[in-house]
Amino acid sequence: DAKTTQPNSMESNEEEPVHLPCNHSTISGTDYIHWYRQLPSQGPEYVIHGLTSNVNNRMASLAIAEDRKSSTLILHRATLRDAAVYYCILRDMGGSEKLVFGKGTKLTVNP
Amino acid sequence: GAVVSQHPSWVICKSGTSVKIECRSLDFQATTMFWYRQFPKQSLMLMATSNEGSKATYEQGVEKDKFLINHASLTLSTLTVTSAHPEDSSFYICSAGRKHTPLHFGNGTRLTVT
Repeated sequence: DAKTTQPNSMESNEEEPVHLPCNHSTISGTDYIHWYRQLPSQGPEYVIHGLTSNVNNRMASLAIAEDRKSSTLILHRATLRDAAVYYCILRDMGGSEKLVFGKGTKLTVNP
Repeated sequence: GAVVSQHPSWVICKSGTSVKIECRSLDFQATTMFWYRQFPKQSLMLMATSNEGSKATYEQGVEKDKFLINHASLTLSTLTVTSAHPEDSSFYICSAGRKHTPLHFGNGTRLTVT
């Protein structure tokens, strides 16, 4: 399974943008970059995913480097409800499509 | 959005007994379901992949005779922890999806074995 590297933790202030980085230097051609987040005592929640182009949805934006070896999840205005562990995962859409979670980034949002 | 329901949300059982956890996709048909477990302050660990109508595929190190998975329909998968021991106490989470779509997760089942 292709691996990703994320900072263990990050901090942000409420209503400010947050950029969560992810490195995935061994990404293969059929790997999609997925982001999920998990609030305490809950199951993970889908945030966004992409292949090559930048993606936007109501929750966040995903910026993907041209060589696809890194990506950044952007929360445009952090709220206290965005405090969670964010997981960047490579998902092989040409194979089993399973999600293998790494350690993720714990995001703290300060009021 | 798509909803995955997991039941029960928590369960306490005695050592040596078996516990069944259900995972249902409420508003879509899931061709594949995945089962995870998560220990405190750790990440999710994939246990097995369950495809409707076929045998589950277990990850390395997961005992298939201890963690029985059944995926009888496109909306239901079950995980049975057999002969549970205290070290099986964990947070069990299922996810469901269709080909080429994001996965949706249940809210987990907290199992405590006494």
